[in-house]
Amino acid sequence: DTAVSQTPKYLVTQMGNDKSIKCEQNLGHDTMYWYKQDSKKFLKIMFSYNNKELIINETVPNRFSPKSPDKAHLNLHINSLELGDSAVYFCASSFGTGGQPQHFGDGTRLSIL
Amino acid sequence: QKEVEQNSGPLSVPEGAIASLNCTYSDRGSQSFFWYRQYSGKSPELIMSIYSNGDKEDGRFTAQLNKASQYVSLLIRDSQPSDSATYLCAVNAGGTSYGKLTFGQGTILTVHP
Repeated sequence: DTAVSQTPKYLVTQMGNDKSIKCEQNLGHDTMYWYKQDSKKFLKIMFSYNNKELIINETVPNRFSPKSPDKAHLNLHINSLELGDSAVYFCASSFGTGGQPQHFGDGTRLSIL
Repeated sequence: QKEVEQNSGPLSVPEGAIASLNCTYSDRGSQSFFWYRQYSGKSPELIMSIYSNGDKEDGRFTAQLNKASQYVSLLIRDSQPSDSATYLCAVNAGGTSYGKLTFGQGTILTVHP
């Protein structure tokens, strides 16, 4: 099926650990995004890559490091996890950077104990 | 002032009625406007995109855009219980925003039988 897929779907870990989330899309898009949705359901962009180049880097702690090995993949590595990192992280993709519709993955629910 | 603001909910309508969801945005240069539907525990799903002033209809959904008033709305005709969800308004500023979507806080819609 064509889709934006994220792994893992759930991530439960302890404070201070390091974890990664992976995202892959087979929609042929060239731009990928990471969004964070907090407990109040507010959705906010974190990063965006276009053809492996970082183009959006919002005010996010440098414990968060995205990486795009190719235009179909975007990963997110988080160091030294904190309680406030608990949220749902969504990957999305689109054609280009000109405001085309974005399609979202199913999300990764991160819970910090 | 919030960049993208939606009418406070929750909004409750009877089955078969018209549900009206509203959104205002602060960046006058915004160029792309989207409505997403998000069921509880699921990812945002694109239901409408609109780029120019006026109305755009797709089945039971109509999006309306008024750039002069910086206002975008979504009408859902013949509302069904399956339409019960959180509706997210998203705006792209264009230009150097590189596809960044700014979301409103969402409006919870409940359609009761």
